[in-house]
Amino acid sequence: AQSVSQHNHHVILSEAASLELGCNYSYGGTVNLFWYVQYPGQHLQLLLKYFSGDPLVKGIKGFEAEFIKSKFSFNLRKPSVQWSDTAEYFCAASSGAGSYQLTFGKGTKLSVIP
Amino acid sequence: GAVVSQHPSWVICKSGTSVKIECRSLDFQATTMFWYRQFPKQSLMLMATSNEGSKATYEQGVEKDKFLINHASLTLSTLTVTSAHPEDSSFYICSAKLAGGLLTLSEQYFGPGTRLTVT
Repeated sequence: AQSVSQHNHHVILSEAASLELGCNYSYGGTVNLFWYVQYPGQHLQLLLKYFSGDPLVKGIKGFEAEFIKSKFSFNLRKPSVQWSDTAEYFCAASSGAGSYQLTFGKGTKLSVIP
Repeated sequence: GAVVSQHPSWVICKSGTSVKIECRSLDFQATTMFWYRQFPKQSLMLMATSNEGSKATYEQGVEKDKFLINHASLTLSTLTVTSAHPEDSSFYICSAKLAGGLLTLSEQYFGPGTRLTVT
């Protein structure tokens, strides 16, 4: 069965610290990968996505993610977090071109301390 | 950017009544909309895929007679929770798929969600 795993439930960082949130997927065949962010009281927003090509994907607000096929991973990174990055982050996947049903991970809550 | 709205944002209803939640794509046409359910501290679980002009496709374990979905136009899908019970209390989120070329094939835009509380 298709699944997405996020190993960190809650991450607490100080401002300016570097961030890496783990995401692993279990899919057969071609996979599309996404990171969404949900700020407190707001709706899900797309941070970045990977369909094909360069495995290092740059998104909005200084976030990036690297697709490592051999590790079935798509970790989210940011070199220096800000208080405004406090939010919940969801990794999601869909299988192949033409398939748009997303499977979400359980989410990682990020708290950034000023 | 593509905006999706939901109405109402929160609703409280009595057990046994029905509740309708609307999902609208405000500035684009959406041939496909999705309905998710999110329990506290858990992920979004896909309930059903709603295609304009046809019957919705429900995920395994989701009762189609309880969660009625109608996608009557390219900008509106509705989810009706029939004979609601306290266990139906949850956060319901819709998303809409932007109809377009290959690059946007798998991109969805999410609504703000509807908090349903059944007493």
